[in-house]
Amino acid sequence: DTGVSQNPRHKITKRGQNVTFRCDPISEHNRLYWYRQTLGQGPEFLTYFQNEAQLEKSRLLSDRFSAERPKGSFSTLEIQRTEQGDSAMYLCASSLTADIQYFGAGTRLSVL
Amino acid sequence: AQTVTQSQPEMSVQEAETVTLSCTYDTSESDYYLFWYKQPPSRQMILVIRQEAYKQQNATENRFSVNFQKAAKSFSLKISDSQLGDAAMYFCAYRANAGNMLTFGGGTRLMVKP
Repeated sequence: DTGVSQNPRHKITKRGQNVTFRCDPISEHNRLYWYRQTLGQGPEFLTYFQNEAQLEKSRLLSDRFSAERPKGSFSTLEIQRTEQGDSAMYLCASSLTADIQYFGAGTRLSVL
Repeated sequence: AQTVTQSQPEMSVQEAETVTLSCTYDTSESDYYLFWYKQPPSRQMILVIRQEAYKQQNATENRFSVNFQKAAKSFSLKISDSQLGDAAMYFCAYRANAGNMLTFGGGTRLMVKP
């Protein structure tokens, strides 16, 4: 296993711009999760995919956020019209069953 | 809604000594899982240890063990023979058996003094 891969590792953008992050899960993991972690806090759940179906969404996932997993492999998380409050680490995790989630190193978003 | 609380923002331990990190949680579920994750600086979060709520026996993984008190909703992590590489943020997390999301505590920063 090569582990969960997230790109880019760091993204700096200006307020109002759109950004997209990518997550490549561990191969054959059919479950994929997105979390957001602000500085000094624990991760907060955003959304969950099983294969290509988005089965669960947090209230944190406002309508400016959209996540996709088109072929049940990699996933993208897009934030439109970024705000300074969106600055955070965005973590992706994957799992084969509902048991242990394996995390990527995250994408750190800085909105100026 | 489930909540997870870690009351110790920072802890410090001397190398080779033992340290215990605290975690309490609140849930109305009877079947769930509890986890401790380690997050080194600028590195990915890795699983340290996992406990199934229906098992009374406390989980152990090498130098890491837990004290799971279901009635008290307490799940502490004991690290024995602390090593410099144990320095990291430690997060306690909860998942309902029927759920998919992890609910995390606020974390405890562990410093290990040589």
